[in-house]
Amino acid sequence: DGGITQSPKYLFRKEGQNVTLSCEQNLNHDAMYWYRQDPGQGLRLIYYSQIVNDFQKGDIAEGYSVSREKKESFPLTVTSAQKNPTAFYLCASSISAGTDTQYFGPGTRLTVL
Amino acid sequence: GENVEQHPSTLSVQEGDSAVIKCTYSDSASNYFPWYKQELGKRPQLIIDIRSNVGEKKDQRIAVTLNKTAKHFSLHITETQPEDSAVYFCAASRRTGANNLFFGTGTRLTVIP
Repeated sequence: DGGITQSPKYLFRKEGQNVTLSCEQNLNHDAMYWYRQDPGQGLRLIYYSQIVNDFQKGDIAEGYSVSREKKESFPLTVTSAQKNPTAFYLCASSISAGTDTQYFGPGTRLTVL
Repeated sequence: GENVEQHPSTLSVQEGDSAVIKCTYSDSASNYFPWYKQELGKRPQLIIDIRSNVGEKKDQRIAVTLNKTAKHFSLHITETQPEDSAVYFCAASRRTGANNLFFGTGTRLTVIP
């Protein structure tokens, strides 16, 4: 999991602004994932990508967008359409979509002011 | 979709005692069950996992049991130590296709010295 980085660690956003969270991995993993974590709740899947130039919606994709132009990178944009964006965002990757173990990045804590 | 329930939400034990966390799942097709440990503000770390072709797996002080018929699995920590204090998440997936993990809501374990 040391091969997955997220930036920034803390992010503050004003209401109505879009913001992009970075996720990079040097593990040569095909599959990447974005999760949202709220207090007292488990991780919920926002988007996932099985391969470059392909991505699918997870359980809570509304108000978010992603891209996967490079194997190493899977940025997440939190748009102004996301009604309650304050949360801890975690990126993960696995060798392939059919492989079990997901490794997590250190997370980005987003706060909307 | 899959629904994973986890109990208890909080657990306090004396150092040296055992701790047990239980999860149930709804999708009989799920066949991979990882457990993650998350310390405050840090990323989730995989501590143990089990596949549906076995009923129990051990790794030093940690063990996981799986009952496919009843659709539940449990984490057992023996000889608990203060450094075991963290939030523990169970998850389930089918290991096919997108390999989406469905997480429980977490158990906050406190080991009292």
